[in-house]
Amino acid sequence: DVKVTQSSRYLVKRTGEKVFLECVQDMDHENMFWYRQDPGLGLRLIYFSYDVKMKEKGDIPEGYSVSREKKERFSLILESASTNQTSMYLCASTNLGLVAYNEQFFGPGTRLTVL
Amino acid sequence: DAKTTQPTSMDCAEGRAANLPCNHSTISGNEYVYWYRQIHSQGPQYIIHGLKNNETNEMASLIITEDRKSSTLILPHATLRDTAVYYCIVRVALTASKLTFGTGTRLQVTL
Repeated sequence: DVKVTQSSRYLVKRTGEKVFLECVQDMDHENMFWYRQDPGLGLRLIYFSYDVKMKEKGDIPEGYSVSREKKERFSLILESASTNQTSMYLCASTNLGLVAYNEQFFGPGTRLTVL
Repeated sequence: DAKTTQPTSMDCAEGRAANLPCNHSTISGNEYVYWYRQIHSQGPQYIIHGLKNNETNEMASLIITEDRKSSTLILPHATLRDTAVYYCIVRVALTASKLTFGTGTRLQVTL
């Protein structure tokens, strides 16, 4: 089974802190995604990556950056956390290919609270 | 991606079949129907997808109408662990683009 793990299930940080959210997948997927999920707003894409050292902005990249130094690991960085970044953060991965019809595999999520 | 419409909530007795409808009247010929679910406080989970034929896997069955304007996800023997929000998504396959979830259907399985 594909496994996507995230470094923390719950995280509490203070305004202005630098926050690192880590995501690791074990199925050699090329594509990885960071979303945030908020009540009433659904799932929103922050950043995604098609390959190592490659990143693309999603719909809401402001206030975030990412790092993909290794294929299995995709990190989301909040340079200076703010209260409006309190949210559930979800990492996902997927692979393209003749048999991989684009189903995305999600991690368990990190519920981040910024005080 | 085509827009989908789902009921806000549904109830189902444990052991019975849960039939979750989805309307996607603007679906294009190259778009697939995908279903995901999200159990409370967990990440979304892929369930099944299809193009025009009915599909079945170990989790569920997917019935797509002949005109492809609607579909039904069937959980044949619902259990309490199937209580979740179910999302119907219509999108082109073989592209690694983002997922866009609507509000989904909140399925409550009861004893």
